[in-house]
Amino acid sequence: GDSVTQMEGPVTLSEEAFLTINCTYTATGYPSLFWYVQYPGEGLQLLLKATKADDKGSNKGFEATYRKETTSFHLEKGSVQVSDSAVYFCALSDRGNTGKLIFGQGTTLQVKP
Amino acid sequence: EAGVAQSPRYKIIEKRQSVAFWCNPISGHATLYWYQQILGQGPKLLIQFQNNGVVDDSQLPKDRFSAERLKGVDSTLKIQPAKLEDSAVYLCASKGGGAFTDTQYFGPGTRLTVL
Repeated sequence: GDSVTQMEGPVTLSEEAFLTINCTYTATGYPSLFWYVQYPGEGLQLLLKATKADDKGSNKGFEATYRKETTSFHLEKGSVQVSDSAVYFCALSDRGNTGKLIFGQGTTLQVKP
Repeated sequence: EAGVAQSPRYKIIEKRQSVAFWCNPISGHATLYWYQQILGQGPKLLIQFQNNGVVDDSQLPKDRFSAERLKGVDSTLKIQPAKLEDSAVYLCASKGGGAFTDTQYFGPGTRLTVL
C-alpha cells in the first residue's frame, strides 16, 4: 500500500542554519503531498502542499518540490529560527479513493540560539 | 472562521473503562476524519465520514471502538473497554469543498492515557 518515509530525528541546528528534512513516498496513483507541522502542545497545522509533479509548495520560508522521478518531497529552509522548533510530518493524500492522509513518522527539529 | 474543536483535551482512565471524545468540524465541512497518533509515530486513520455516512472504517478496531456522526455535523468516538495500547492522541480533522479539495484541517487533539 501507499507509504511515506521520513528521515530519522531529532535534527538539531543552530539558528540561521540551512534545513533539509528528507521525505520519500510510495504510491500507486498520483497523490497530493503535504508537510504538516506540530508545535509543542498544539495540533497539526498545514505548512505547505503540492498537488502535481514539479509543483513547489512554499510557506513561511519553507519550500518543498514534488519530484515524481525520485518520489520525494524534501522540506527545506534557508535560515531556521528558534521558533521553527517543532515536529514535522510529511504526508500524502490518496486522491483517487477516500482522500485520507498517510503520514510519515515525523521528524523533530530543535533549533538552538 | 472557527477551527476544528475537540474535547476533552486530556483524559486519564483505567484499563477496561470506557471513554468518549467529541469533535465539532469547521462549519460546512462534509468530510470528517478521526486519526490515532501514538507517541513517536505519525497519525493513522481510524474512520472517515462523508456527511453522516461512513466512507472508510477499515482500520477501526470495531470490537472496542465505535464512532458516529449524527446529522452530519458533530462526531463522537468511543472506546469500550479501553486497553493500555489505546494510550495516544486522538485527532479529528475536517475537509470541505469538492472532490479536488484535499486539505484537511486538524483540531488540537485529545490526549488519552490508559493506566
